[in-house]
Amino acid sequence: NAGVTQTPKFQVLKTGQSMTLQCAQDMNHNSMYWYRQDPGMGLRLIYYSASEGTTDKGEVPNGYNVSRLNKREFSLRLESAAPSQTSVYFCASSDMGTATYEQYFGPGTRLTVT
Amino acid sequence: AQSVTQPDIHITVSEGASLELRCNYSYGATPYLFWYVQSPGQGLQLLLKYFSGDTLVQGIKGFEAEFKRSQSSFNLRKPSVHWSDAAEYFCAVVILTGGGNKLTFGTGTQLKVEL
Repeated sequence: NAGVTQTPKFQVLKTGQSMTLQCAQDMNHNSMYWYRQDPGMGLRLIYYSASEGTTDKGEVPNGYNVSRLNKREFSLRLESAAPSQTSVYFCASSDMGTATYEQYFGPGTRLTVT
Repeated sequence: AQSVTQPDIHITVSEGASLELRCNYSYGATPYLFWYVQSPGQGLQLLLKYFSGDTLVQGIKGFEAEFKRSQSSFNLRKPSVHWSDAAEYFCAVVILTGGGNKLTFGTGTQLKVEL
């Protein structure tokens, strides 16, 4: 049981390049989330998917797109990376059915945009 | 709007000393509250959570937190800190929506432990 996995762990991009961050969970959770973490700002929600087939914007969605590929996988895409997107990105999942509201986090992807 | 405030950005304590990390929330309904810990280079791990009932909740690693509705606070405590507790700590509140639950995080408190 790996929990929440993220790839890659580290990435360096040049301004204007695109990339997709991958996230998968093996806990059969309904809901999945993407956050970014910046110094002094805590974690901010980018997008979330309450269930397979649905996605919604969070607090800071501009410059990102997401795809809920199936129940297990939730990807985050940067179409044209900007230096302001340099951050650590975390994926999380939770099980709405249990009403515990606890979210389980992946290890993160550290992204640098030059 | 719902929010979480952690007033202390950095805290330094000596190993063996007691610890209290402050968290205040702003939320109209009964809050569901969490404390997470993040060790350097790692993801977030849940320490404890409060939904209802007993206002003093116990968590992992010897941590506890007390919910005080009158003060809108959910402070994290530990009687005796270990060097391995050095990490960043985040308080969070769940916002329930029709389309899912969302966590709002505080900005975090960085804990340094002096040997």
